[in-house]
Amino acid sequence: NAGVTQTPKFQVLKTGQSMTLQCAQDMNHNSMYWYRQDPGMGLRLIYYSASEGTTDKGEVPNGYNVSRLNKREFSLRLESAAPSQTSVYFCASIMNSEQYFGPGTRLTVT
Amino acid sequence: AQRVTQPEKLLSVFKGAPVELKCNYSYSGSPELFWYVQYSRQRLQLLLRHISRESIKGFTADLNKGETSFHLKKPFAQEEDSAMYYCALSGLGRDDKIIFGKGTRLHILP
Repeated sequence: NAGVTQTPKFQVLKTGQSMTLQCAQDMNHNSMYWYRQDPGMGLRLIYYSASEGTTDKGEVPNGYNVSRLNKREFSLRLESAAPSQTSVYFCASIMNSEQYFGPGTRLTVT
Repeated sequence: AQRVTQPEKLLSVFKGAPVELKCNYSYSGSPELFWYVQYSRQRLQLLLRHISRESIKGFTADLNKGETSFHLKKPFAQEEDSAMYYCALSGLGRDDKIIFGKGTRLHILP
């Protein structure tokens, strides 16, 4: 039981490049989330998915897209990366109101 | 509006001294309150939730509905308590999105 996994752990992009952050959970949870964590800003919700086939915008969705591929996987895509998207990205799933977090992806956009 | 406020960005406490991390919330309905902790370069993990009324690693938190607060307390700080602490809330019994505060960095001084 790996819990919530994320790939990659680290990534450096140039402005304008695209990439997809992968997230998977093996706990059979319905709801999954993407957050970004920035100093002084705490955790901000980018997108979430309450169940397979549904996605909703969070607090800071601009510049991102998501796909809930199946119950296990929830990916986050940056179509055209910008320096303002330099951050640590966390994926999470939820069960009984408790969130389980992945280890994070540290993204730098130059 | 649903909101979680952590008024202190940084709290420095001497080892052995009492710790209190403040959290106030605004929520229309019955919230469930949580404290999450993130040790250096690790993923966030649940520390405690108000419905369980547990003491975890010596920490306790009491939900005060009158003052809409959920402060985290520990009588004697230890160096290993140094971490980032996030207060969070969700609708009671609902697996929808959790709202996080901006976090307080706790620094235990030797």
